[in-house]
Amino acid sequence: DAKTTQPNSMESNEEEPVHLPCNHSTISGTDYIHWYRQLPSQGPEYVIHGLTSNVNNRMASLAIAEDRKSSTLILHRATLRDAAVYYCILKGSGGSNYKLTFGKGTLLTVNP
Amino acid sequence: DTEVTQTPKHLVMGMTNKKSLKCEQHMGHRAMYWYKQKAKKPPELMFVYSYEKLSINESVPSRFSPECPNSSLLNLHLHALQPEDSALYLCASSHLRTTNTEAFFGQGTRLTVV
Repeated sequence: DAKTTQPNSMESNEEEPVHLPCNHSTISGTDYIHWYRQLPSQGPEYVIHGLTSNVNNRMASLAIAEDRKSSTLILHRATLRDAAVYYCILKGSGGSNYKLTFGKGTLLTVNP
Repeated sequence: DTEVTQTPKHLVMGMTNKKSLKCEQHMGHRAMYWYKQKAKKPPELMFVYSYEKLSINESVPSRFSPECPNSSLLNLHLHALQPEDSALYLCASSHLRTTNTEAFFGQGTRLTVV
């Protein structure tokens, strides 16, 4: 599985935007970029995913570099409820495209 | 219903006990997963079932025995566990046919082996 690199931790203030980076220099042409987050004492939850183009949904935006070697998850206005570990995951589209392999993730702290 | 339900939420078992963890979903997902998560670590994949057949076993010790009796249920049978097996066990499910679909996770079973 292609590897992702994320900062161990980041800090933000409430109601400010947060940009969570992810490097994936060995990404293959068919790998999708997925983001999940895990709130304290809960199972992971899906945030967003994309292949080449930037993506928006009600939770966040995903900005993908033109060479696809990096991406950024954007939370437009952080709330205290966004404090979680955020995982950037590459997911193939081949025979085992349903397999999710988690890296270490980024622990996001949101200050009131 | 976009929920994956895991029972029990907490389980304490002795090293000689036999117990089972249960997972249920009614989203029509044909892929189901077991993950193990130790404190302050990311989830680690243990098993994947696709169309009720075991498709991935990540070299998990035989004291963990998965079972998928039907498309909605996933069990993890536990026998002769060690204290180091204490962890949060997460179940997840997803579609198989749709390209790059999202996975839904349960809240997990917190297992303590004494």
